[in-house]
Amino acid sequence: KAGVTQTPRYLIKTRGQQVTLSCSPISGHRSVSWYQQTPGQGLQFLFEYFSETQRNKGNFPGRFSGRQFSNSRSEMNVSTLELGDSALYLCASSFTGHSNQPQHFGDGTRLSIL
Amino acid sequence: AQSVTQLDSHVSVSEGTPVLLRCNYSSSYSPSLFWYVQHPNKGLQLLLKYTSAATLVKGINGFEAEFKKSETSFHLTKPSAHMSDAAEYFCVVSEGGSQGNLIFGKGTKLSVKP
Repeated sequence: KAGVTQTPRYLIKTRGQQVTLSCSPISGHRSVSWYQQTPGQGLQFLFEYFSETQRNKGNFPGRFSGRQFSNSRSEMNVSTLELGDSALYLCASSFTGHSNQPQHFGDGTRLSIL
Repeated sequence: AQSVTQLDSHVSVSEGTPVLLRCNYSSSYSPSLFWYVQHPNKGLQLLLKYTSAATLVKGINGFEAEFKKSETSFHLTKPSAHMSDAAEYFCVVSEGGSQGNLIFGKGTKLSVKP
C-alpha cells in the first residue's frame, strides 16, 4: 500500500511569490491535514479537509489556503510569500480524521524563501 | 485547554542502555495520546497510541508507554537503545472530535552513542 506522497520535496521561492504544494493520501483515507514545522514554533496545525470540505483551521493568516479534490488529494497554497514561511510542510491522512485515529505522514515539502 | 510538555529537549544514551523520554499533558477530558518519531528529512511515523484501553501501550521497534492519569504523564521507554533509534520524538495529545485538536509537544532529540 503506497504511503502519503507529497510533491515537490524541495522548493525555493522568493518573497512575494505564491506556491502550491500537493499531497496524495493513502488510498481510502478521506481526511487530509496540513502542518507547518519550523525550528522555532515546532509543529503547527494549518487545516484539515474531509470530503472536499475544510473541517478545521489553525491560527494562520488567510494567505494560507487549501482544497481537497473528490479523489481526496489535497493542495495547499501560500500567496505573497514571506521569509517566515520557510518551513517543512507536512501532510497527513487518516480514514475519517477522528482524533483517536493515528495520522500517516508524508515526508514533507521543504520550502525555502529567499 | 489541552497542552503537552516534553520535559527534555535532548536525551543522550549509550547503545544497549534504556531509553526514557518524558511527556506530561494537560487535558480537560479523556485524551487520546500518541508518540511519533521523525528521522532527518522525513515525515512523522507513529510509534504507539493510547485511546483509553490498556494503560501500558506497546508500540513498534520495542517502544512502549504508560498512561498515568494521576500524574498526567505518558512517558516513552525502551529497554535497550539501538543506533537506529537516534531521531526526534514527539508526544501528541488530542481531546476528541476531529484532528484539528491535535497538540504536538516541542520534541525530544534522542542521541545514541556507540
